Amino acid sequence: QKEVEQDPGPLSVPEGAIVSLNCTYSNSAFQYFMWYRQYSRKGPELLMYTYSSGNKEDGRFTAQVDKSSKYISLFIRDSQPSDSATYLCAMRGTGRRALTFGSGTRLQVQP
Amino acid sequence: NAGVTQTPKFRVLKTGQSMTLLCAQDMNHEYMYWYRQDPGMGLRLIHYSVGEGTTAKGEVPDGYNVSRLKKQNFLLGLESAAPSQTSVYFCASSYSPGQGVYTGELFFGEGSRLTVL
Repeated sequence: QKEVEQDPGPLSVPEGAIVSLNCTYSNSAFQYFMWYRQYSRKGPELLMYTYSSGNKEDGRFTAQVDKSSKYISLFIRDSQPSDSATYLCAMRGTGRRALTFGSGTRLQVQP
Repeated sequence: NAGVTQTPKFRVLKTGQSMTLLCAQDMNHEYMYWYRQDPGMGLRLIHYSVGEGTTAKGEVPDGYNVSRLKKQNFLLGLESAAPSQTSVYFCASSYSPGQGVYTGELFFGEGSRLTVL
């Protein structure tokens, strides 16, 4: 079983929709949680970062972490065609040097 | 300010050939990583380095070797390429806990697409 599970999609939504992306994980030692966005044929780039449990908001993006359920989410409000990309969740534990990634969810926002 | 630069961007090899992928970063990062990305598998860590002259194995190290002779460079070598090594390879770098505000954020290159026939 993978340490981090993520639905690969693809997820297709109309412009303006609210998008919910999710990951589950099995390692209770994970403390740092990130969401990366990857455009086609590009490297991933950091979108959101949260430490431990709780919510974090940045413009149209909200990241949530529920450590009791080992579940993290990324919400995108008022989605735009420019949000079309693959979204990867990533996490690590204290003392670990490398991130463990989910397999990524491909999102398409239709104009 | 180039960030993380990978060369080459594309390469086609025949089974058994060898090659080296070069990664260079100009952000003075201590940590560097090599990942491979395959459909449905996400990013999997091959090897990483926490400083000049040091390397460590990741999740899928077999068939690869690495070297970090200079802080800014991290080389990934394939001694005898196999079709199973067809993939997109990403180099990344990050600050270390001793370099100030540390979140573990990785900065990625644009990837190197390798096909082994």
